[in-house]
Amino acid sequence: GAVVSQHPSWVICKSGTSVKIECRSLDFQATTMFWYRQFPKQSLMLMATSNEGSKATYEQGVEKDKFLINHASLTLSTLTVTSAHPEDSSFYICSARVEIDGYGYTFGSGTRLTVV
Amino acid sequence: AQSVTQPDIHITVSEGASLELRCNYSYGATPYLFWYVQSPGQGLQLLLKYFSGDTLVQGIKGFEAEFKRSQSSFNLRKPSVHWSDAAEYFCAVLYNNDMRFGAGTRLTVKP
Repeated sequence: GAVVSQHPSWVICKSGTSVKIECRSLDFQATTMFWYRQFPKQSLMLMATSNEGSKATYEQGVEKDKFLINHASLTLSTLTVTSAHPEDSSFYICSARVEIDGYGYTFGSGTRLTVV
Repeated sequence: AQSVTQPDIHITVSEGASLELRCNYSYGATPYLFWYVQSPGQGLQLLLKYFSGDTLVQGIKGFEAEFKRSQSSFNLRKPSVHWSDAAEYFCAVLYNNDMRFGAGTRLTVKP
């Protein structure tokens, strides 16, 4: 149980275009989801926290106009990278907080974004 | 400042040897503690977690971790490493609904 499905697994896009990444909770309701960015051989950096039905909370230094987060339902959160540039190329991972056997965070399988 | 530290960036062990990955945290109170494993190009899989109670926690794949309050540590151990354990390992803390990760330790397993 507590599975998060992230799609797509990888995407290549041209500079200036926008890319949407979806994160779905398959068998539970996720009122809170998190978006992380991971550079090669580095740790996960929290980008933003999204709460269903309200605006996302962004970490310091994250451009909210570039990384649009929408959490319109209890099972879906999306991250849209707008006007993508090569420096946006990265591995993006979503996670959801679950309360099964105490606190836990379950993670999506990640999305490799390459901007060319 | 609050932080999670994994002192070892890269560790190499022989298959069958024991393993210990270090994790230290710096928080005012004991946070919730986690160990995750990540294979290349994949998301994170939870190995084990500590909230309270018994300080020796058993996880999946034969891993265990011991919480030591006096040392602010939560080291991950495995008595006999398998080649399939080669991956990136992350220690994480959850404090005030905020989860933060250590820098990660890359494990290489020699035949």
